[in-house]
Amino acid sequence: AQSVTQLDSQVPVFEEAPVELRCNYSSSVSVYLFWYVQYPNQGLQLLLKYLSGSTLVKGINGFEAEFNKSQTSFHLRKPSVHISDTAEYFCAVSTPVLTGGGNKLTFGTGTQLKVEL
Amino acid sequence: DGGITQSPKYLFRKEGQNVTLSCEQNLNHDAMYWYRQDPGQGLRLIYYSQIVNDFQKGDIAEGYSVSREKKESFPLTVTSAQKNPTAFYLCATNSRAGETQYFGPGTRLLVL
Repeated sequence: AQSVTQLDSQVPVFEEAPVELRCNYSSSVSVYLFWYVQYPNQGLQLLLKYLSGSTLVKGINGFEAEFNKSQTSFHLRKPSVHISDTAEYFCAVSTPVLTGGGNKLTFGTGTQLKVEL
Repeated sequence: DGGITQSPKYLFRKEGQNVTLSCEQNLNHDAMYWYRQDPGQGLRLIYYSQIVNDFQKGDIAEGYSVSREKKESFPLTVTSAQKNPTAFYLCATNSRAGETQYFGPGTRLLVL
């Protein structure tokens, strides 16, 4: 069984400061890893994903994440945040594609990023 | 304009009533999913379908039902057996060989 832990439910940060949102996972098999962003009353938008290869993954809006297999982590970072980054961020893990197609995502409980002036 | 549409945006349910949430996609994706989102709990999988006329229960299927008669459509019915239906419901899709799920805009269900 897979699980995802996002230890920080809320992260306040000043505009133009760096931020790191933490994500740890557990799984007995190799996984794919994702970060999604959700703005109020909207669906989830993919920020970035790790499937294989380079452990440093770059995404949209200046975000990046690093896969660390030994620490089972996939922390999300941005060197300088903007007011418009205020949103909820979800980390998710997925088993490789299931027989028959598709995959199952397991989500963390989310981290609310609040960017202040 | 390709994408995933969910309707209605807001839905009100009376006691003992069944309600149906719509999810339509024109991405030609085979797999479709329904998630429930509650504050502080992340997203939990209700049902998923990998192909037309086939679907499987997710982690919290009790009180819900689905159908998959067409590739483009995966409606979710919240039955009267679901005692705590108030939540934000999200539909997602991906291709059979794909790993990334794409989400619709969601439907917020409220109980009167």
